[in-house]
Amino acid sequence: EVQLVESGGGLVQPGGSLRLSCAASGFPFSNYSMNWVRQAPGKGPEWVSYINNSSTTIYYADSVKGRFTISRDNARSTLYLQMDSLRDEDTAVYYCASQYTGSYPDYWGQGTLVTVSS
Amino acid sequence: QAVLTQPSSLSASPGASASLTCTLRSGINVGSYRIYWYQQKPGSPPQFLLRYKSDSDKRQGSGVPSRFSGSKDASANAGILLISGLQSEDEADYYCMIWYNSAWVFGAGTKVTVL
Repeated sequence: EVQLVESGGGLVQPGGSLRLSCAASGFPFSNYSMNWVRQAPGKGPEWVSYINNSSTTIYYADSVKGRFTISRDNARSTLYLQMDSLRDEDTAVYYCASQYTGSYPDYWGQGTLVTVSS
Repeated sequence: QAVLTQPSSLSASPGASASLTCTLRSGINVGSYRIYWYQQKPGSPPQFLLRYKSDSDKRQGSGVPSRFSGSKDASANAGILLISGLQSEDEADYYCMIWYNSAWVFGAGTKVTVL
């Protein structure tokens, strides 16, 4: 069974930093691309970042480019999102999503809440 | 103008059919894209329903009933999610998505209410 478990969310002040983790199990993590997707309260999903299996291809949404960094540790089956210079508008539930069964976000974790507020 | 536009809400009776549209911005040709559809219920992450580009390029999510189907309206430059035989459990938010300019782009979603 595919499982994705996010952690690392919390309350942070504007301008602060957080590092999110996503522990994957139930599939060969090192073979598949991964994504971070966020959802602000009452809003639709917003894609944040993509990383391929070997970390050679990385994409970011314009809204986070230069502030967020995606990475992965295939030996630990873990995906990361380093978030710096956080803004109020970054407040959201952050989900990791695999591209396991197809070339699209298929399995999603339950998410971790990030709240940026003073 | 948003890349993908969805009506904000739709209401229908149990047993009826519901057609949800996802209109691509002018200049983005629906024929060139796979349209992905997700269902989201409160407190849960989005769940993949299906992907549709053409009748020969489509994919149903695992365990997704066949009463959920995809199509396109080229004249409206839109992807369509058809839900046949609406059930109370279909009450949810529905999002379309495409891969555009090296980014996953979501529509703002349609809230489906089953009266």
